[in-house]
Amino acid sequence: QSALTQPRSVSGSPGQSVTISCTGTSGDIGAYDYVSWYQQHPGKAPKLMIYDVFKRPSGVPDRFSGSKSGNTASLTVSASQAEDEADYYCCAYAGTLWVFGEGTTLTVL
Amino acid sequence: QVQLQESGPGLVKSSETLSLTCTVSGGSIVGPHYWNWIRQPPGKGLEWIGFISYSGSTYYNPSLRGRVTISVNTSKNQFSLKLNFVTAADTAVYYCASLRGGTYSPWGQGTPVTVSS
Repeated sequence: QSALTQPRSVSGSPGQSVTISCTGTSGDIGAYDYVSWYQQHPGKAPKLMIYDVFKRPSGVPDRFSGSKSGNTASLTVSASQAEDEADYYCCAYAGTLWVFGEGTTLTVL
Repeated sequence: QVQLQESGPGLVKSSETLSLTCTVSGGSIVGPHYWNWIRQPPGKGLEWIGFISYSGSTYYNPSLRGRVTISVNTSKNQFSLKLNFVTAADTAVYYCASLRGGTYSPWGQGTPVTVSS
């Protein structure tokens, strides 16, 4: 099972909207709605930002949103802020195993 | 609020066995959760290692199958990871995390493990 495909980096200015894609297959993202997104700041553990494709845990700002179309999931950060600068990982269920994305570094210029 | 904390040696010799324990506090390990190990090599992404339920059912990443064993000790509210025949490629930060539904949360703070020759 290969890692999910994410762009290595994305960037935007403060206040801009940025979207990170996560491409899988018909056996993972395309088959199940168990897609989640994690934010990781340097030296820290990942933090859950989105689960079940589009649901947001309490405490996560509503500028973070998730969606899915076919075998590709997306995380959008609208009106991005300096503190959103971090690595982001998608994660999907693939039957009897779980697979993570390669990770995307979001830079807020 | 459930919290997880990894513990174990930070240095393991090549070809030997890596052993880590995750202690669950603030809640019981017995419940509708799956208890996971996930690792992150230096400068790289996350890799799912496997999970165990409180009843002992396990699932492992096929890429590690044959080398990995995850076990649970409900009396101590802990679960453990053993990875045999380690190489430099197993050098990573190892995280334990709770999986419920499709959600990994919470995570432990992570523990770095270096495999030395």
